Amino acid sequence: TQLLEQSPQFLSIQEGENLTVYCNSSSVFSSLQWYRQEPGEGPVLLVTVVTGGEVKKLKRLTFQFGDARKDSSLHITAAQPGDTGLYLCAGARYGGATNKLIFGTGTLLAVQP
Amino acid sequence: NAGVMQNPRHLVRRRGQEARLRCSPMKGHSHVYWYRQLPEEGLKFMVYLQKENIIDESGMPKERFSAEFPKEGPSILRIQQVVRGDSAAYFCASSPKFPDRGSSGELFFGEGSRLTVL
Repeated sequence: TQLLEQSPQFLSIQEGENLTVYCNSSSVFSSLQWYRQEPGEGPVLLVTVVTGGEVKKLKRLTFQFGDARKDSSLHITAAQPGDTGLYLCAGARYGGATNKLIFGTGTLLAVQP
Repeated sequence: NAGVMQNPRHLVRRRGQEARLRCSPMKGHSHVYWYRQLPEEGLKFMVYLQKENIIDESGMPKERFSAEFPKEGPSILRIQQVVRGDSAAYFCASSPKFPDRGSSGELFFGEGSRLTVL
């Protein structure tokens, strides 16, 4: 059962365009993380959002955590070819004996020069 | 600090052989996670270990797969009698402690081991 659905699955845009990636779930998470993964490498953390409604900015990237802590979005302004990669959201639930992150289905972004 | 080290980076096995994937966590990290990734897909949780303990193996297939994290040495993911469906990238991640509301819960990933079963 996939708890975190990302949309769109694939996205190909021109340099300079804006885009938004969505991460949705029916479950509540204690926190949500966004990772970016480049071909042949492991995922690298971009941001962690913890509070419902929280908005974080990282240069041209804006991350938002839904009020109910069930969904999140990533908005990229003026995309660059260097933004190309696989974007993964990952939800965490604290408490209990386990700490596994549940990863989303992924959004593969290609930014054409 | 050296990051999470995985080896081998690439492994080719014939059906029926065994695959052993190794992971050395970041220095000071005592929590290790294994994830499997198919091409252009998200990561699927397999197992979460601390030193000498398996904490959560709910994502591990019931047969042929096992994992350990001994007191000394790297964590090992072992796949016996591999089949073509085992072909994937296997990622190891580590964290310094059990995350709680006071920590980010960030996982630090290795570069992965890519298993190809012929």
